[in-house]
Amino acid sequence: GAVVSQHPSWVICKSGTSVKIECRSLDFQATTMFWYRQFPKQSLMLMATSNEGSKATYEQGVEKDKFLINHASLTLSTLTVTSAHPEDSSFYICSAILQTGTNEQFFGPGTRLTVL
Amino acid sequence: DQQVKQNSPSLSVQEGRISILNCDYTNSMFDYFLWYKKYPAEGPTFLISISSIKDKNEDGRFTVFLNKSAKHLSLHIVPSQPGDSAVYFCAVVYTGGFKTIFGAGTRLFVKA
Repeated sequence: GAVVSQHPSWVICKSGTSVKIECRSLDFQATTMFWYRQFPKQSLMLMATSNEGSKATYEQGVEKDKFLINHASLTLSTLTVTSAHPEDSSFYICSAILQTGTNEQFFGPGTRLTVL
Repeated sequence: DQQVKQNSPSLSVQEGRISILNCDYTNSMFDYFLWYKKYPAEGPTFLISISSIKDKNEDGRFTVFLNKSAKHLSLHIVPSQPGDSAVYFCAVVYTGGFKTIFGAGTRLFVKA
C-alpha cells in the first residue's frame, strides 16, 4: 500500500523558535496533501490543504503566517510552525490522497510537537 | 456545528462478540464514507469505505453499513479481537469539494 512518512516523529523546542515538519509520500506522487492537528481526545482538525506548485488552502481560523506550508514537489510537503508557543504543542499529522478514485487518504505516523 | 458526529466516546466489548460503532452526518451532499483506525501517537490507518451508491460493504471481519435516508453509517466488527482496541474515526467526503471531515472518534476496548 501507499506509504507516507513524517519527520521528525517527536520534537521539543523552546518558545519562540520555529519548527519544520516534513511529510513525504514514499511510493507515489501526491499532488494534494493535507495537514491535520489533533488535540488530546479530540478529532483530527484539518488545518490546510497543500497543493503541489501552488499556495496552500487554509481552513478558517488557521493562521497562514503561523503555519507555513510548502509543497515544492510531488512527494514532499512541509509544515513550519513559526515562533512556536506552548499552545502550539500538539500532534500534527499529514496525509496524501492516492488518486485512484477511492478517496482514501494515507496518513503519516504523526509528529508530536512539545513547545516549552 | 458538527457535520459528523460519533456520539459514543467509548465502547467496551468482550472478545469474540460484535462491536458496533456508529456515525451520523448532517449533509446529504457527502457521497463517500470511510472508517479509520488509530493507535495512540500514530497516524490513522484506513479500514474500510463505502460510496453513497451502496448500503453495505464487507471486508473480512469488518462491515460498513450506510443508511442514506437516516444519514447514518455504522461499522461492525465481528468477531472482535483485543488487537482491535483503538480509536475509530468515521470520515465523510464530499467528492465535489475534495474535503474529508472526521468525526470525534470512538475508543473501542476489546476485553480478553
